[in-house]
Amino acid sequence: KQEVTQIPAALSVPEGENLVLNCSFTDSAIYNLQWFRQDPGKGLTSLLLIQSSQREQTSGRLNASLDKSSGRSTLYIAASQPGDSATYLCAVMDSSYKLIFGSGTRLLVRP
Amino acid sequence: GAVVSQHPSRVICKSGTSVKIECRSLDFQATTMFWYRQFPKQSLMLMATSNEGSKATYEQGVEKDKFLINHASLTLSTLTVTSAHPEDSSFYICSAPPRRGAPYEQYFGPGTRLTVT
Repeated sequence: KQEVTQIPAALSVPEGENLVLNCSFTDSAIYNLQWFRQDPGKGLTSLLLIQSSQREQTSGRLNASLDKSSGRSTLYIAASQPGDSATYLCAVMDSSYKLIFGSGTRLLVRP
Repeated sequence: GAVVSQHPSRVICKSGTSVKIECRSLDFQATTMFWYRQFPKQSLMLMATSNEGSKATYEQGVEKDKFLINHASLTLSTLTVTSAHPEDSSFYICSAPPRRGAPYEQYFGPGTRLTVT
């Protein structure tokens, strides 16, 4: 059974810092891996999607990497801003198109 | 990008009553939709897969007689929480893939906050 783990569970950093969020999964037979952002009481915003054949994806200040063989992904956020404060969720998609989510990292960027 | 809507966004109901949540794909057709549940400060857990024109498939531990799913058209899936209890209070989110057979993003609805009193 696929399990997705995110470390750290919570992170508080001063504005301007670069930071790394970690995601690991137990079964490397994934279709893709996605990173989402969730603001309190809100739905999900898709940030980056990495296909199983890819190593990384970039969007603005965000960069996500994927090492399928080791079951790991990282989300790198450059020059963090208070507006980046949210919960970041990692999810892997299995062969039946189901998404299995990690428990998330709650990020607080202090002004 | 593709848009998925949910209705209502918030609902409060009394224990023992039933409540229906709608998930609509607004600008694409979806033969499959997924229903997730999120308890406070926890992650999303897949409840069931809704299949247009056929029965939904439920994840282990999800009561199919309590959470009724109907996917009557290519743009609408409904989740009915029957005989709701306070422990059913949660954030329910649906998602839909706009196409199959190629790498794609699943598009998520904005969620429905259910509170059972």
